[in-house]
Amino acid sequence: GENVEQHPSTLSVQEGDSAVIKCTYSDSASNYFPWYKQELGKGPQLIIDIRSNVGEKKDQRIAVTLNKTAKHFSLHITETQPEDSAVYFCAASPQRQLTFGSGTQLTVLP
Amino acid sequence: GAGVSQSPSNKVTEKGKDVELRCDPISGHTALYWYRQSLGQGLEFLIYFQGNSAPDKSGLPSDRFSAERTGGSVSTLTIQRTQQEDSAVYLCASSPAVGANVLTFGAGSRLTVL
Repeated sequence: GENVEQHPSTLSVQEGDSAVIKCTYSDSASNYFPWYKQELGKGPQLIIDIRSNVGEKKDQRIAVTLNKTAKHFSLHITETQPEDSAVYFCAASPQRQLTFGSGTQLTVLP
Repeated sequence: GAGVSQSPSNKVTEKGKDVELRCDPISGHTALYWYRQSLGQGLEFLIYFQGNSAPDKSGLPSDRFSAERTGGSVSTLTIQRTQQEDSAVYLCASSPAVGANVLTFGAGSRLTVL
C-alpha cells in the first residue's frame, strides 16, 4: 500500500517568514495530493490540493509543488501569520482512500 | 446537514466495555470514511463506505472493531471489549464519491479507555 512520509514533525518560524513542509510517497499510482490543516480540537480541513497532471498550484499565501519523478510534494506558506499555527497533514491517494503523513506542528512566533 | 456531525464528542469508558461512535455525513455524500488519530500521531485509515457497502475492511485493527452504514447516511463504528490502546480520536469524513475527492471531516470523537 501507499506510504507517506512527512518532514519536519515540528516547525517554528517568525511571523512574516515562509514555512515549507515536505512529503514523499511510495506508490507511483497516486494521483491526488491534498494538504489538510488541523486546529486544536477540530477535524482536519482541506487547504489546498494538487493532482498529478499539474506541477504547481497557488492560492494566495499557500502553494503546493509536485515532483512525480522524485515522488515528493511540498507545501509552501509565505508571509506566515499567527493564525497559521496548527498541525498540517499531507496525503496521497492511489485509489479509494487517502493515506496521510504523520503531521507537522507549525508554530508562528509573533 | 451543513457539515459532518460526530457523537459523542467525548467518551470515557472502562476497559472491557463496548462503545459506539456515530457519524452523520453531509447530505448526499455517498462516500464515508473512518480514521483514527492517536495522540500526536497521523491519521490511520480504518474503513470506508461506498453507499452502505464497505469494500475494504483491511484497516480495522482487530475483530473487536466493526462498522456499519444504513440508508446511505449515518454510520456507526463499534468497538467491543475496549482496551487502553483503543484510546484515540476517531474521525469521520464524507465525500461526494469514492476516489480522489475532497474529504470533509467531522470534529471527531475522543475515546478514553481507563
